[in-house]
Amino acid sequence: GNSVTQMEGPVTLSEEAFLTINCTYTATGYPSLFWYVQYPGEGLQLLLKATKADDKGSNKGFEATYRKETTSFHLEKGSVQVSDSAVYFCALIYAGGTSYGKLTFGQGTILTVHP
Amino acid sequence: DAGVIQSPRHEVTEMGQEVTLRCKPISGHDYLFWYRQTMMRGLELLIYFNNNVPIDDSGMPEDRFSAKMPNASFSTLKIQPSEPRDSAVYFCASSLAGGRTDTQYFGPGTRLTVL
Repeated sequence: GNSVTQMEGPVTLSEEAFLTINCTYTATGYPSLFWYVQYPGEGLQLLLKATKADDKGSNKGFEATYRKETTSFHLEKGSVQVSDSAVYFCALIYAGGTSYGKLTFGQGTILTVHP
Repeated sequence: DAGVIQSPRHEVTEMGQEVTLRCKPISGHDYLFWYRQTMMRGLELLIYFNNNVPIDDSGMPEDRFSAKMPNASFSTLKIQPSEPRDSAVYFCASSLAGGRTDTQYFGPGTRLTVL
């Protein structure tokens, strides 16, 4: 079946540090890949997405590239801010068979950024 | 534009009571999804609808759970009778279409506590 594996957290960084959160996936066919962010007490918000191999999603200084050869979609940001503290979820949608339209999530990575 | 609206935001009830969670999707979205978030199991898809019709309820944990979508602007998730292990955050999400490239937009969630 389809699955997403994220690096275990929590991740603690100082402001302006470089961020990488690793994400790898297992899926049949060609899924779309997503990063969602959940701020404390809120629902999930789409951060970025990529729908085919070698696509780069980007938003708010965050980037992730769809790597089919390594089945990865690692999230990066060059300089984090305190306001980036949140839980980050990697997810995929594989539109085929019984998995049509279903978002499959990783376990989430807690990021804390200190001033 | 109004996003996905969920009510109530918090619900505390006693074991054995009936609980009804409500969701209003984004206008014009044809797909509606119910997810549950727990520390142990992460984010799980419970059920989803297309044009008000339930398509896949394989994620509904037990017969105590039921979901309806009487019209395009309203859905309910009901638990009867509730149990302490049902305590979780329940999210509703909607999307324009259910394909692999479509973004799902999440509501703020309902935090359910069953005592």
